[in-house]
Amino acid sequence: DIQMTQSPSSLSASVGDRVTITCRASQSIRNYLNWYQQKPGKAPEALIYTASSLKSGVPSRFSGSGSGTDFTLTISSLQPEDFATYYCQQTYSTPITFGPGTKVDFK
Amino acid sequence: QVHLVESGGGVVQPGGSLRLSCAASGFSFGSYGIHWVRQAPGKGLDWVSFIQYDGTNKYYADSVKGRFTISRDSSKNTLYLQMNSVRPEDTAVYYCAKDQNDILTGYNYMDVWGKGTTVTVSS
Repeated sequence: DIQMTQSPSSLSASVGDRVTITCRASQSIRNYLNWYQQKPGKAPEALIYTASSLKSGVPSRFSGSGSGTDFTLTISSLQPEDFATYYCQQTYSTPITFGPGTKVDFK
Repeated sequence: QVHLVESGGGVVQPGGSLRLSCAASGFSFGSYGIHWVRQAPGKGLDWVSFIQYDGTNKYYADSVKGRFTISRDSSKNTLYLQMNSVRPEDTAVYYCAKDQNDILTGYNYMDVWGKGTTVTVSS
């Protein structure tokens, strides 16, 4: 199975900050990497697919990059509605696996 | 408007069975693969199963293989998860999620999610 790790596990930030979350796969997954946002008590929502493609309707302050084993989600200017938990996910092979999540909260 | 609505959750004893349903609307149900994903209380996301657009191929996490069965009924636009021999560690919110693709190719992601249904395994 492909193991996904994320760093940091949590971070505190302020509105307007640039936030970067890293995701690493235990083996190359090419660009088969997706990012999801989840707010408390809600279902996850997709943000980025195939490493760098922005899902329609998602604000352009979200961006993704990377390939192989190392990936990054960047929020260019954190907004109040962005405080949430972020998960990466690989779809290179089954079982599909998620990272453990990164919680972004108020500084 | 694309919608997925899960139902069938509840409290079940260890070793018991439960069938979850996911009613789909607003898209061509028979053209897309669909996943089940679960989330234990306070924990992260855990992929459970995927069924491709025509029901031909099904995939499972090792933790549920042999106990859970995914199926779909295109005449009813509904996805199912039959859960047998449940264990306390199956306690979670279960989400169904539409894939943007019809089969697993790597170019997959979960573009629409339901709100989830809660399963509690307890005696």
